[in-house]
Amino acid sequence: KNEVEQSPQNLTAQEGEFITINCSYSVGISALHWLQQHPGGGIVSLFMLSSGKKKHGRLIATINIQEKHSSLHITASHPRDSAVYICAVGSSEGAQKLVFGQGTRLTINP
Amino acid sequence: KAGVTQTPRYLIKTRGQQVTLSCSPISGHRSVSWYQQTPGQGLQFLFEYFSETQRNKGNFPGRFSGRQFSNSRSEMNVSTLELGDSALYLCASSLWGTGVGSPLHFGNGTRLTVT
Repeated sequence: KNEVEQSPQNLTAQEGEFITINCSYSVGISALHWLQQHPGGGIVSLFMLSSGKKKHGRLIATINIQEKHSSLHITASHPRDSAVYICAVGSSEGAQKLVFGQGTRLTINP
Repeated sequence: KAGVTQTPRYLIKTRGQQVTLSCSPISGHRSVSWYQQTPGQGLQFLFEYFSETQRNKGNFPGRFSGRQFSNSRSEMNVSTLELGDSALYLCASSLWGTGVGSPLHFGNGTRLTVT
């Protein structure tokens, strides 16, 4: 079993819909990162969180440390939100490193 | 503030050759970490340098190595290239490193093709 599991792997929605992407992890973490990758490869860090909830514009990220689960929400989705969203955890067990989920490919249709 | 700069953007090499990739972090950032991204394996951690010292290494063979200079710029070297090394190589810089929970800033990557 992977240390970081994302769901769904692919998600297609209509413009304006509320989007939720989930991330579950099995290791102890120092922080969890949500990343966005557009075609062409560049990665942008959306959030880094170790507890609670963060909001930036239409994006909201939450984390439940006890349940080892995080969610990324997009409100009023737009075609420009189409990208791959990647969850990554900074492991606090053993050597410090980042462990990545497999990514969620999001497509928002107009 | 300038972002993370990776050079070159694209590279084509032949099996058996070696390659060196460069990453210049955001000014003031002391941590540089490297990642390999392939369609089959996704993103995988290669190694991290902090203040010129390798702090951690992922599960990659010894053909993959790196170093960091006093100005925090980092290089990654892959020797004896194999076809399977074809990938997008990304670096990220942060103030305190991946395990401490500092925000990460990624470069645009170097796309390496091995023929």
